[in-house]
Amino acid sequence: GAVVSQHPSRVICKSGTSVKIECRSLDFQATTMFWYRQFPKQSLMLMATSNEGSKATYEQGVEKDKFLINHASLTLSTLTVTSAHPEDSSFYICSARVGPSGANVLTFGAGSRLTVL
Amino acid sequence: QKEVEQDPGPLSVPEGAIVSLNCTYSNSAFQYFMWYRQYSRKGPELLMYTYSSGNKEDGRFTAQVDKSSKYISLFIRDSQPSDSATYLCAMSASRNSGYALNFGKGTSLLVTP
Repeated sequence: GAVVSQHPSRVICKSGTSVKIECRSLDFQATTMFWYRQFPKQSLMLMATSNEGSKATYEQGVEKDKFLINHASLTLSTLTVTSAHPEDSSFYICSARVGPSGANVLTFGAGSRLTVL
Repeated sequence: QKEVEQDPGPLSVPEGAIVSLNCTYSNSAFQYFMWYRQYSRKGPELLMYTYSSGNKEDGRFTAQVDKSSKYISLFIRDSQPSDSATYLCAMSASRNSGYALNFGKGTSLLVTP
């Protein structure tokens, strides 16, 4: 089946540094990928929709200058958390749509746990 | 009112029990219904996908959709300790309405040996 690979699975960084998270579709092409954020015991919150070859679409309240998304190829999307602060500590998960045409069935990466000290 | 409501639990059952997980929703435009299982510190994995109303069975899992009541269910038969996880329901409208996928908060399930 379709696999979405996400790295790193866990990252710890100092406040003020930037962190890049990669999301790859391994055996299919993903023109669109989605980035979610999840706080403990909370549901998934859509941050942005990443479109290959064009600018990402950010959800209301998500700072586009803080969370930089690049989708340079059909198999790779990256999320860069710039000038990270402790409040950015969270679980970040990417996903791609794999359902039949017209269906919004998503497959997810394993997630990246970011801890900002 | 949130578009998707799901009881967060936790739900604790003995091994072998039948588990019933449920979500309600308010948007009558939803047509695609999914259940995801998420283990601790992992990304969600798709369990079941149903289009419109009806039942779908896959091994020990059965998904039911009742669009008239705006209510969906996931049944797990002969539950196992390995089923202990958080179960998220998700749903969306047709493609013409965009790609937004609406998630419930998830129900935490614990199956005890």
